[in-house]
Amino acid sequence: DQQVKQNSPSLSVQEGRISILNCDYTNSMFDYFLWYKKYPAEGPTFLISISSIKDKNEDGRFTVFLNKSAKHLSLHIVPSQPGDSAVYFCAATWRDDKIIFGKGTRLHILP
Amino acid sequence: EPEVTQTPSHQVTQMGQEVILRCVPISNHLYFYWYRQILGQKVEFLVSFYNNEISEKSEIFDDQFSVERPDGSNFTLKIRSTKLEDSAMYFCASSDSRKVHFGPGTRLLVL
Repeated sequence: DQQVKQNSPSLSVQEGRISILNCDYTNSMFDYFLWYKKYPAEGPTFLISISSIKDKNEDGRFTVFLNKSAKHLSLHIVPSQPGDSAVYFCAATWRDDKIIFGKGTRLHILP
Repeated sequence: EPEVTQTPSHQVTQMGQEVILRCVPISNHLYFYWYRQILGQKVEFLVSFYNNEISEKSEIFDDQFSVERPDGSNFTLKIRSTKLEDSAMYFCASSDSRKVHFGPGTRLLVL
């Protein structure tokens, strides 16, 4: 049962353009959402998060949008840079003791 | 910035052998986790640990697995009798809030 779904396994974006990574969830109990970035052979690193009481959170080039009615969130990266090439995991939680991850989307930033 | 550390970075073992994966969480964190990622698959929750006891565990975390916080700084994952399907990257994580910090992982290969 996939509670957090990332339906695009990979995405290619031109350097300088906007990267949009999408995530859907099924559990309406989730109240906190996170995006993690992962390079090969490294652990996931926290990128940005959003509480369910908000619909947008921005941190530099990264913005996360939350649409609770659609159970959908997205991560926007503007402008995309070569170092953004990585796997991005969407995650959700409703308690402090478990985070549920999506399968990840591999982002390729093209020169 | 404080980091979660894990040892060893790589572990090769024979099927049926016991392995212990070690983690040093961030010092003032109260919540500890183990996750794993089988090659090409998503990051999966194994277990969470709070106040010196398991607070939640997944179906994966069967009787072959155990966790311990032996000395107030280390957090270990023991697999009693490894199986081929235990081959994966194992990530330790810790948090003091909703933001979870991951270690670099231990790559376990069971032959």
